[in-house]
Amino acid sequence: DTAVSQTPKYLVTQMGNDKSIKCEQNLGHDTMYWYKQDSKKFLKIMFSYNNKELIINETVPNRFSPKSPDKAHLNLHINSLELGDSAVYFCASSRNRGSQGETQYFGPGTRLLVL
Amino acid sequence: AQKVTQAQTEISVVEKEDVTLDCVYETRDTTYYLFWYKQPPSGELVFLIRRNSFDEQNEISGRYSWNFQKSTSSFNFTITASQVVDSAVYFCALLVSGTYKYIFGTGTRLKVLA
Repeated sequence: DTAVSQTPKYLVTQMGNDKSIKCEQNLGHDTMYWYKQDSKKFLKIMFSYNNKELIINETVPNRFSPKSPDKAHLNLHINSLELGDSAVYFCASSRNRGSQGETQYFGPGTRLLVL
Repeated sequence: AQKVTQAQTEISVVEKEDVTLDCVYETRDTTYYLFWYKQPPSGELVFLIRRNSFDEQNEISGRYSWNFQKSTSSFNFTITASQVVDSAVYFCALLVSGTYKYIFGTGTRLKVLA
């Protein structure tokens, strides 16, 4: 049973398109995250939701919009895709906001390539 | 400000050698948590260990061991008798209590050669 799942695993698209990445966790966690990992493997937090409430919103272009329909799902929608958006996007979840040092568990990643 | 430094960008060892991956963190807070993750070539991020700031005991899990030293703000990771399957990028991360944000280091790529 997959704990944190993401779809799609690979996404190849043209510049200017709009795309979405879906994330679901079955761990019963309250908090979910989106990270971007660039070609140098640097992991950068983008957003975090706790019980459907946005708690972290880093300096990310407003073309990126997270949506959390319930605490088990956190989707990422990207408008007007640019070449620089090419990266691996990871979803993660933790039992709570991290205030008690909860461990984050990551999904398998979505490899986005913008042509 | 919080920060995690993994100064070793890439390490290559021959199978069966021991290797230590360094992690140095910065924080002024007294309550914080440290983590190590492994990212094998297949790309997923695998949780390895979590340690809180009040527990300085070293930990051993099979061939893996972790050395936490608050005096030097370090949380180093040693693999004993390395194997090819240990080849991966390893990330150290810091979470300061109440901040909600996990700070990751830039990762160390470990190559274990047969």
